[in-house]
Amino acid sequence: GAGVSQSPRYKVAKRGQDVALRCDPISGHVSLFWYQQALGQGPEFLTYFQNEAQLDKSGLPSDRFFAERPEGSVSTLKIQRTQQEDSAVYLCASSSPIGETQYFGPGTRLLVL
Amino acid sequence: GNSVTQMEGPVTLSEEAFLTINCTYTATGYPSLFWYVQYPGEGLQLLLKATKADDKGSNKGFEATYRKETTSFHLEKGSVQVSDSAVYFCALSSYSSASKIIFGSGTRLSIRP
Repeated sequence: GAGVSQSPRYKVAKRGQDVALRCDPISGHVSLFWYQQALGQGPEFLTYFQNEAQLDKSGLPSDRFFAERPEGSVSTLKIQRTQQEDSAVYLCASSSPIGETQYFGPGTRLLVL
Repeated sequence: GNSVTQMEGPVTLSEEAFLTINCTYTATGYPSLFWYVQYPGEGLQLLLKATKADDKGSNKGFEATYRKETTSFHLEKGSVQVSDSAVYFCALSSYSSASKIIFGSGTRLSIRP
């Protein structure tokens, strides 16, 4: 079956622009996670959904970052007024049930100029 | 809080050499431990995992044993191949933290023919 997909794969934004990154989890997966991976670093947790409920957003670095999953499947990570420090790869992962193996998407590489 | 410390890279070995990448962790409770691999140009993939003390995870000739007494989960392979060249991430998750994954900073491995 299809794995986790993310779009776009690459995004170049000018500083101050808003961006929206999409994640399509594996069908039927209840849990969805977003991670941020800076160059040369390991991924860092941003936020977590169980179905449509956002249960943990402790990793979001600022109030410019917003994530949603309104119907419990597709999720969107939105970054408002992008800054250069937001340049990173944004990874989405899904699992079901909670506590089981997380499957990662290919990531969206964001470059803010 | 929970954290993972892994051997800094890059690590360069000749084909058929023995590989060890060290990983230690700090965690409350009883975390699950993982090794993820990121091949050039590809997404993050689960390599192996162990969910309780003394468990050994294995896959593709790689092994790691969950050592609670030394809080370690070192990755080993007896004979590496050029195709093993990748970045390896040690990671943990715990049910108490909603299963979000905490990653180490990654170790880049290069294998010479």
